[in-house]
Amino acid sequence: DTEVTQTPKHLVMGMTNKKSLKCEQHMGHRAMYWYKQKAKKPPELMFVYSYEKLSINESVPSRFSPECPNSSLLNLHLHALQPEDSALYLCASSQDPSATYEQYFGPGTRLTVT
Amino acid sequence: KQEVTQIPAALSVPEGENLVLNCSFTDSAIYNLQWFRQDPGKGLTSLLLIQSSQREQTSGRLNASLDKSSGRSTLYIAASQPGDSATYLCAVVFKAAGNKLTFGGGTRVLVKP
Repeated sequence: DTEVTQTPKHLVMGMTNKKSLKCEQHMGHRAMYWYKQKAKKPPELMFVYSYEKLSINESVPSRFSPECPNSSLLNLHLHALQPEDSALYLCASSQDPSATYEQYFGPGTRLTVT
Repeated sequence: KQEVTQIPAALSVPEGENLVLNCSFTDSAIYNLQWFRQDPGKGLTSLLLIQSSQREQTSGRLNASLDKSSGRSTLYIAASQPGDSATYLCAVVFKAAGNKLTFGGGTRVLVKP
């Protein structure tokens, strides 16, 4: 099974709200990723976790706060977002942080900031 | 700078015709290249992964080739069907960039019945 799940599927939040996105995989993968995708654009990497430790932060604003509580779960905490942060947020995982492994993506969370 | 380009941005073919999708990249020092399919508003589905040591990969009606020296990959989809209509994304892991996928802009494909 190569499934990555994400919840919620859709999220609408105001600029003063705090919310979280959740990503889960049960494939025993040890690398997990957050991507942001704007309409008609390719995904852009935000964060990489390797063995539950943050290994890459692509200069993402601090209003996005990732967390990896265990090897199966990845969260993205959102606070004081801007309307331009509205996008599809995609989670992915791979067997190992080594660059040679295939990445598997979840269905995404469609975020709208009002 | 490592970049990935997909041309054309959109493609329309009649059902049954073979699809040929192109991907080019600026640096031949890569770990691998991955082709994805994305339906509107959905996540990415991995189609094929080609390691830098491989020349091609096949899965059913799909065949992807890799020519590192010229910085090109081609995805062939045989006997296209309306269900193949989607956006196809090519992504490269460049050695200089570590464990990071660099995506092309995608090719939006429409297969007409």
